[in-house]
Amino acid sequence: GAVVSQHPSWVICKSGTSVKIECRSLDFQATTMFWYRQFPKQSLMLMATSNEGSKATYEQGVEKDKFLINHASLTLSTLTVTSAHPEDSSFYICSARRTPRPLHFGNGTRLTVT
Amino acid sequence: AQSVAQPEDQVNVAEGNPLTVKCTYSVSGNPYLFWYVQYPNRGLQFLLKYITGDNLVKGSYGFEAEFNKSQTSFHLKKPSALVSDSALYFCAVRDQNRDDKIIFGKGTRLHILP
Repeated sequence: GAVVSQHPSWVICKSGTSVKIECRSLDFQATTMFWYRQFPKQSLMLMATSNEGSKATYEQGVEKDKFLINHASLTLSTLTVTSAHPEDSSFYICSARRTPRPLHFGNGTRLTVT
Repeated sequence: AQSVAQPEDQVNVAEGNPLTVKCTYSVSGNPYLFWYVQYPNRGLQFLLKYITGDNLVKGSYGFEAEFNKSQTSFHLKKPSALVSDSALYFCAVRDQNRDDKIIFGKGTRLHILP
């Protein structure tokens, strides 16, 4: 079946540095991928919709200059957390859809900013 | 605005007993409803969905959900719980204004006691 791979699974970085997270669809082409953020004991919050070959669509309240999204190919979307701060520490999850199937999720990336 | 509510933060069930995880929805029109499961430090896995048709939907791992229009509910059920069912369960509804967007409930942590 379809698989979405997310890398890295966990990352620790120092405050002020940038971190890139990759999301790949392994056996299908995904024109649209989604990035979520999950706080402890809370639900998933959709951050942005990543569209291949065009700009990402950000949800209200999400800083587009803080969370850079690039969807350069039909199988890869990246999320870069720029100038990370401790409050950016969270669990980030990507997903992709292979219409008409439901969303397939990556295994998530736990980001810790020290 | 559409939403789903999961009234229980946590549900404890003895192994072998039936389990129910509750979900109610609020939408105008016909809802597209989903259940996902999340294991620790992992992404979400699709369990089942309701779009139309039979009110009882069967899904993965022996789970099923009952759509009840009069009560606006979509409770997740399993006749006999396994310890391995312990996880975080999310009810979700498709955004009626954006069919690429899914709105998640806050999640219910299910503990199956051996």
